[in-house]
Amino acid sequence: EPEVTQTPSHQVTQMGQEVILRCVPISNHLYFYWYRQILGQKVEFLVSFYNNEISEKSEIFDDQFSVERPDGSNFTLKIRSTKLEDSAMYFCASSADRAGEQFFGPGTRLTVL
Amino acid sequence: AQKVTQAQTEISVVEKEDVTLDCVYETRDTTYYLFWYKQPPSGELVFLIRRNSFDEQNEISGRYSWNFQKSTSSFNFTITASQVVDSAVYFCALEVGNTGFQKLVFGTGTRLLVSP
Repeated sequence: EPEVTQTPSHQVTQMGQEVILRCVPISNHLYFYWYRQILGQKVEFLVSFYNNEISEKSEIFDDQFSVERPDGSNFTLKIRSTKLEDSAMYFCASSADRAGEQFFGPGTRLTVL
Repeated sequence: AQKVTQAQTEISVVEKEDVTLDCVYETRDTTYYLFWYKQPPSGELVFLIRRNSFDEQNEISGRYSWNFQKSTSSFNFTITASQVVDSAVYFCALEVGNTGFQKLVFGTGTRLLVSP
């Protein structure tokens, strides 16, 4: 069964460093998403992406964040200069169409020291 | 405003007890979807159910059942004869799309502890 994959599963970085979180969505999906979950809290929407551009972003998604689909398979989230409060689990999701079910990846746990 | 409320922060039960997790949502959309996800200690989000706002029929899947009531904006989840493996955090979510693109709004989750 096709699934969304994410790498790495756990990333540790120093404050101020840049990180790139990688996702491989399901191959025929066209809509991509990133969500964030700070430890012990709820899952929060960050950004949605379609046709090589951002379709919607939340207040959390400030200038430190960017997303990209560098090739036909990967979908990345870049945090330019990490802060302690960026420590969280980051989930990638994809869907086949605009109103379709979103399939989640297993998440990347980011720890900023 | 789009919002999901899970008032129960944590529930503890003994194995074989039935347990109901509450979910109340707010939306002005006439068409929307509701979800339940399970998050075990390993951290991944496990999809349980997706329900269209036009379909108010209750659903049963094995030991799981869902009660959707539009009149009270609730989408409650019941586990019958709970097992230790059911211990997890359960999230209710609402799919909304102001711009035409959908996103999920999650509740704060209910931690279920099932003891032997």
